[in-house]
Amino acid sequence: AQSVTQPDIHITVSEGASLELRCNYSYGATPYLFWYVQSPGQGLQLLLKYFSGDTLVQGIKGFEAEFKRSQSSFNLRKPSVHWSDAAEYFCAVATGGGADGLTFGKGTHLIIQP
Amino acid sequence: EPEVTQTPSHQVTQMGQEVILRCVPISNHLYFYWYRQILGQKVEFLVSFYNNEISEKSEIFDDQFSVERPDGSNFTLKIRSTKLEDSAMYFCASSFRRQVNTEAFFGQGTRLTVV
Repeated sequence: AQSVTQPDIHITVSEGASLELRCNYSYGATPYLFWYVQSPGQGLQLLLKYFSGDTLVQGIKGFEAEFKRSQSSFNLRKPSVHWSDAAEYFCAVATGGGADGLTFGKGTHLIIQP
Repeated sequence: EPEVTQTPSHQVTQMGQEVILRCVPISNHLYFYWYRQILGQKVEFLVSFYNNEISEKSEIFDDQFSVERPDGSNFTLKIRSTKLEDSAMYFCASSFRRQVNTEAFFGQGTRLTVV
C-alpha cells in the first residue's frame, strides 16, 4: 500500500526567506503527487500536482515542487515566503488504477516569523 | 469562484447519537468524496461516490457510516451511532472527473466532537 511521510511537523521561517517542505512517498510505480494547503478556517486548496513529464512543476502562489524518483521525494519550495503563507501543508499521493482516494501525509505546520 | 460548502462548521454530539454532515459540491461535478482527519493524524480517505452509488470505500468506512445524495445538490455523510473516536475534522470534496486525473476541490471541513 502507498504511504506518504512528511518528516517535519512544524517549520518556522522568517518572512522573505526561502522555504522547502519535505515529502517522501512509498509506492511501487510512478504515483500522482499533490500538495495541498489549508489556511485557518479554510478547506484544502490544491497548490500543484505532478502526473508525468517535467519533474519540476509550478503551482499557485509562487510554489514549485520537484519530483525525484531516485529519492521517492516530492519536496515543495518557495524562494521567498510571505506572512500569508502561514498554514498547514499536506502532501498527497494517488495511485490510479481505479483507486479514488488520496493518501495524505500528516501535514507540516508552517509558521512565518516577522 | 465555485466552492464546496460544508455545514455545520462545528458539531458537538453525545456518544451514541446519529449525526449527519452536509456538503454541497460544486454544481457540475460528478464525483464526491469524504475524508476525515483525527486531531494530530493524517487526512484519511473514507469513501467516494459516483452515479448515486459508492465507488470505493476504505476500511474505516464501516456499517455505521453511510452516504447519500438526497437531492441534486447535497451530499451527506451519516454516522449512525457516534463513538468518541469519531471525533475528527470531516472534509467533503468533489471533482468533475475521477480524482487521479483531475483536481478535487475540498470544503472547509466540519469539526465533529463526540462527548
